[in-house]
Amino acid sequence: AQKITQTQPGMFVQEKEAVTLDCTYDTSDQSYGLFWYKQPSSGEMIFLIYQGSYDEQNATEGRYSLNFQKARKSANLVISASQLGDSAMYFCAMREVRGTSYGKLTFGQGTILTVHP
Amino acid sequence: NAGVMQNPRHLVRRRGQEARLRCSPMKGHSHVYWYRQLPEEGLKFMVYLQKENIIDESGMPKERFSAEFPKEGPSILRIQQVVRGDSAAYFCASSPGEGARYGLETQYFGPGTRLLVL
Repeated sequence: AQKITQTQPGMFVQEKEAVTLDCTYDTSDQSYGLFWYKQPSSGEMIFLIYQGSYDEQNATEGRYSLNFQKARKSANLVISASQLGDSAMYFCAMREVRGTSYGKLTFGQGTILTVHP
Repeated sequence: NAGVMQNPRHLVRRRGQEARLRCSPMKGHSHVYWYRQLPEEGLKFMVYLQKENIIDESGMPKERFSAEFPKEGPSILRIQQVVRGDSAAYFCASSPGEGARYGLETQYFGPGTRLLVL
């Protein structure tokens, strides 16, 4: 079973509109972290936002917010007021705290976001 | 305030040669992670290191690949006798190492090394 599933290979959004990128995860751990990263065409990996499994509030960082629904095991990224510079690949990732595997991030396959002017 | 540094940014090797990829973590970070990204795929974990210690190498191929993070100097990912299938982007990430066990730590990534094997 996939640990992290991003079902949208590609998404399109009009500039200044909001967009939601989907992410579901699979874990039996009680304690874990969820992350979103952005990878523009230049190739670097940019950290966007983090949500801990025990956090009761949804995480927000500027125009980014994470819609965390623990019972559904989903951690969708919401980008408000899209900008042309938001066009990139977006990866959802999870970090579990089980045994010696607590270091690794498990990534989804990514969603390519294209922002239209 | 330098971020994670990786060099070289691009590396071309012929089949059978060795590739050495270097990673200097962010200042104050003592944990280093290596990931590989094959074309059109997400990142896959390879190895997790602390100074002079390999914590988790469950993602490392059994042969030809090795990693170290010495007391002094950068972390090194070494690929011996490279093959075409090793062509990929190799990313290093670092974290402070204080909240590791609770999923609290964000890993900050370097710009990656693009390895091309001819």
